[in-house]
Amino acid sequence: KAGVTQTPRYLIKTRGQQVTLSCSPISGHRSVSWYQQTPGQGLQFLFEYFSETQRNKGNFPGRFSGRQFSNSRSEMNVSTLELGDSALYLCASSPGPGVANVLTFGAGSRLTVL
Amino acid sequence: QKEVEQNSGPLSVPEGAIASLNCTYSDRGSQSFFWYRQYSGKSPELIMFIYSNGDKEDGRFTAQLNKASQYVSLLIRDSQPSDSATYLCAVTDYGGSQGNLIFGKGTKLSVKP
Repeated sequence: KAGVTQTPRYLIKTRGQQVTLSCSPISGHRSVSWYQQTPGQGLQFLFEYFSETQRNKGNFPGRFSGRQFSNSRSEMNVSTLELGDSALYLCASSPGPGVANVLTFGAGSRLTVL
Repeated sequence: QKEVEQNSGPLSVPEGAIASLNCTYSDRGSQSFFWYRQYSGKSPELIMFIYSNGDKEDGRFTAQLNKASQYVSLLIRDSQPSDSATYLCAVTDYGGSQGNLIFGKGTKLSVKP
């Protein structure tokens, strides 16, 4: 059974550019969450999607957006990149939004903003 | 703002000893608590979750929850070098979904052979 697949794994952008990250959940999983991980702030929640609907959004500026498609795949977009957006972006999937549904994380997309 | 606090470590224990990892949380309404392990360069993986006050055991791992003190801990018995990793404490935020967790910054554990 394939795990959570994130692409690209590594990318380098410059300030002001935008970036789109992709996440394919485990087959049959309908919930996708995104987290940002930095050495200073740790893991911080970005978004949670279920059945193409955003259920929750973390405390990030509007430059961060996301969406989920009918096949449960998800994308997140960061516009007008800033140096502070350099981070590991982790996607996690679960069967559904219930508290008993365990999250499985992907390997992450490491973004470097120059 | 809801917060989860952990000692950043590093916590160093000898092989075979008990490692004790601690976590406090600010929101008294938090209901569900999780411990994740993250090896260097890897993504987090769930070790245990606990909902009720008291202890929950799974193999060498025991999670302890005290809601009155807003305190969660993880004990690792017979620590092995392979347990060396960063341990992340997490609690559920609004809606109680595992997809929306508040994480601590993690405690780095080093188990010396």
